[in-house]
Formats: sequence, structure tokens, C-alpha cells
Amino acid sequence: GIQVEQSPPDLILQEGANSTLRCNFSDSVNNLQWFHQNPWGQLINLFYIPSGTKQNGRLSATTVATERYSLLYISSSQTTDSGVYFCAFPHNSGNTPLVFGKGTRLSVIA
Amino acid sequence: EAGVVQSPRYKIIEKKQPVAFWCNPISGHNTLYWYRQNLGQGPELLIRYENEEAVDDSQLPKDRFSAERLKGVDSTLKIQPAELGDSAVYLCASSPTGGLGYTFGSGTRLTVV
Repeated sequence: GIQVEQSPPDLILQEGANSTLRCNFSDSVNNLQWFHQNPWGQLINLFYIPSGTKQNGRLSATTVATERYSLLYISSSQTTDSGVYFCAFPHNSGNTPLVFGKGTRLSVIA
Repeated sequence: EAGVVQSPRYKIIEKKQPVAFWCNPISGHNTLYWYRQNLGQGPELLIRYENEEAVDDSQLPKDRFSAERLKGVDSTLKIQPAELGDSAVYLCASSPTGGLGYTFGSGTRLTVV
């Protein structure tokens, strides 16, 4: 199956700092998504980003499908950004079910 | 809208005991998923339903796990008997057919002692 690697595995930021999280995948994937899992375990979809760039407030994501990676940018980080960020993509053609990376654990400290 | 509702939120049981988890998906979502998330890992699919039909259960340990989705709405995931290695968070998610618009529930954290 397709291998997915997220980096860094752990990240500690001072509040207000910027960061870039990376997701590499071993083969072509369709319909890559980014999720945030908050410290209480709730998974929230951030972006559906098969290619190109999207922005939502302080977050933006870029997927370069031809080079098999996706980036998640967090600017002016806040303590509420803490949690684990996962990239995920469909196991088969279509959009379901999802295969998740191991995640990047982000801690933003005041 | 209530989102995907799961219960219970936490469950502690002794090994060899049975346990059941319940999920109510978002109204109108035909596809329902059960995922298991081990500590420090991403979620992994256990079973996927399209309406009331299980269309992908290859990762479900069928000797002890069972699931049902009667009437294509609510779903129940059962483990009998539970083993220590079953300790994990069990997540339910739903989506419209096609998979866009994934929504996860808050999960059930199972501890087997």
C-alpha cells in the first residue's frame, strides 16, 4: 500500500510563531485531507486539498501531487492550535475510506 | 446540527468481558465508518457501511468484533471477549456517499484491565 510519512513527529512552538508541517506519500494519491485532533480527541477536517493551495484564516495548505507531498502552514500560532495534525487520503479510488499518517503533535506554549 | 454522536465517552472493563459502542451519524449521511486509534497512531479503519451494508470489513477482527447498522442509521460495534490489546479510542465517522464531508465523533476511549 501507499506509505505516508509526516514530519516532524513533534513540535513545540512559542505562541505567535509560524510553522510548517509536511506530509510525504510514496505514490500518487487523490483527495488528500488534513485533520486536527484536539487534546480532547475530536478530529476536525481542516482542508480537502488534492492539489494547489487553500487558505482558511491562519491556516493554509499546499499539495504538490506530482512531487508527492503536502504542506500545512500555521501562522501566528495560538495555544488552541495544540493537538495532533494528520494528513489522510483515500485507500482506494474515490474518497473513502481514509488512510492516516502518524501525525505531528504540536504544542503551543504561551 | 448535533454532529456524529458516540457513547459512551469512556469505558473501563476487565479482560474477557463484552463491551459495546454506539454511534449516531449525521442525518442523511449514507456512509458510516468505525476506526480504531491506538496511542500515538493515526486512526485505522475497522469497518465501513454504505447504508445498512458492510462494504469494507477486511480489517475487522471477526473472531471477537462484530458490528451492525440496522435500518442504515445508528450503528453498534461490539467486542466479545475484550483483550488487553483492545485498549484504544474507537472513532465513528460519517459522510455522504462519495466520502467528501467526513465528520468524526468524539470517540469512545476503551481501557481493558
